[in-house]
This record gives sequence, structure tokens and C-alpha cells, in this order.
Amino acid sequence: AQSVSQHNHHVILSEAASLELGCNYSYGGTVNLFWYVQYPGQHLQLLLKYFSGDPLVKGIKGFEAEFIKSKFSFNLRKPSVQWSDTAEYFCAVIVGGGYNKLIFGAGTRLAVHP
Amino acid sequence: DGGITQSPKYLFRKEGQNVTLSCEQNLNHDAMYWYRQDPGQGLRLIYYSQIVNDFQKGDIAEGYSVSREKKESFPLTVTSAQKNPTAFYLCASRTSAQAGTQYFGPGTRLTVL
Repeated sequence: AQSVSQHNHHVILSEAASLELGCNYSYGGTVNLFWYVQYPGQHLQLLLKYFSGDPLVKGIKGFEAEFIKSKFSFNLRKPSVQWSDTAEYFCAVIVGGGYNKLIFGAGTRLAVHP
Repeated sequence: DGGITQSPKYLFRKEGQNVTLSCEQNLNHDAMYWYRQDPGQGLRLIYYSQIVNDFQKGDIAEGYSVSREKKESFPLTVTSAQKNPTAFYLCASRTSAQAGTQYFGPGTRLTVL
């Protein structure tokens, strides 16, 4: 069965530190990849997505992610985090022909300290 | 103001009782979804519906039931057959034009005592 792995369950950073959250998926065919974010007390919302083309995609609030097909990875990055980036981040994938069913990873809780 | 509403925000039930969670959307989206969120497990798909009067089981449908009589409504019933119903339940919807981009409601936290 297809799955998504997020290796870091909890990450703690100081403001201005760089961020990289890992995401790996297990599927050999065509995939569409997503990062969703859940800020405290807010709805889960889309951060960025990859469908095709440039494997480096940019999202909202200065986030970006790189699709590396050979590594089955879609890591999320931000050069300098802010306190307001404190949230839970979910990687998700749609596999080919899956009726747009999103398969989510377990999530990574990020805490940014001032 | 368009969006997805879920009610109530918190729900308490006694073991053995069925309970129905509400999900309404005014985004005119065709597809709707129900997920269960547990700590350390991410979101798991319970049921989804692509169109009115049609729905499909997700990965963890046992102990749950849904209906889709109207485009804007997709209620979820947690039955007494669900062995571990205490969880955070999220409803989402999607327009046909944006594959994969799902819009989520605020969620309902169900506690079974």
C-alpha cells in the first residue's frame, strides 16, 4: 500500500534558523505531492503543491519544497523561520488514478522560539 | 463568506450511542471527504463522495456511515460498532477543477465516555 513518511515528529527551532522537514513516499508511478499546514486554532490549509514541471515549488509565506523523484522525496524548506511558523505540517500524496484521495503523513509539529 | 462548517466543535457521547457529525459547505464543491486525525497518525480517510447520492469507503470506514443527499451536506455517523471513536474529525471538500487541493473545516472533537 502507498504510504507517506515524515521522519521528524517534533522539531524545535529558534527564530531565523533554517528549516527542512523530510517527506518520503512509497509509490513508483505518477504522484502529485502536497504540503498542508495547521496553525494553532486554524483550519488545515494548503501550503504548496507539485504536479509537474519545475521540481522546486514555492508556496505561501516563503516556504518551498523540492521533488526528487530518484529519492521519492518532497522535503519542505524555509531559509529563516519565524515564531508565526509554529504549526503542524503534513505531507500528502495523490497516487495515479486515486480519485483524488490524499494520503497523509503522520505530521511534524514545529515549535519556533523567539 | 464561503467555507466549510462543522458542528459541534466538541461532542461528548456515552459508549454504545450513535452520533452524527455535521459538515456543510457553501463552496459549490462536488467532492467531499471525512478524515479522522489522531496524534502521531496524521489524517486517515473514512469516506468520500464525488457527487450527490454517491460515496465510497476510505481506508478506515468500519464503524462509520455517511449520506450525501445534497451537494452541500455530508454528515458522518459514528456508530456503536466503531471500537475507538474518540478522535478529531475533519471534513473537507474539493472542486473538480483543482485536483488535490482540499479545503478543510474546523473539525469536531468527539469524546466517547
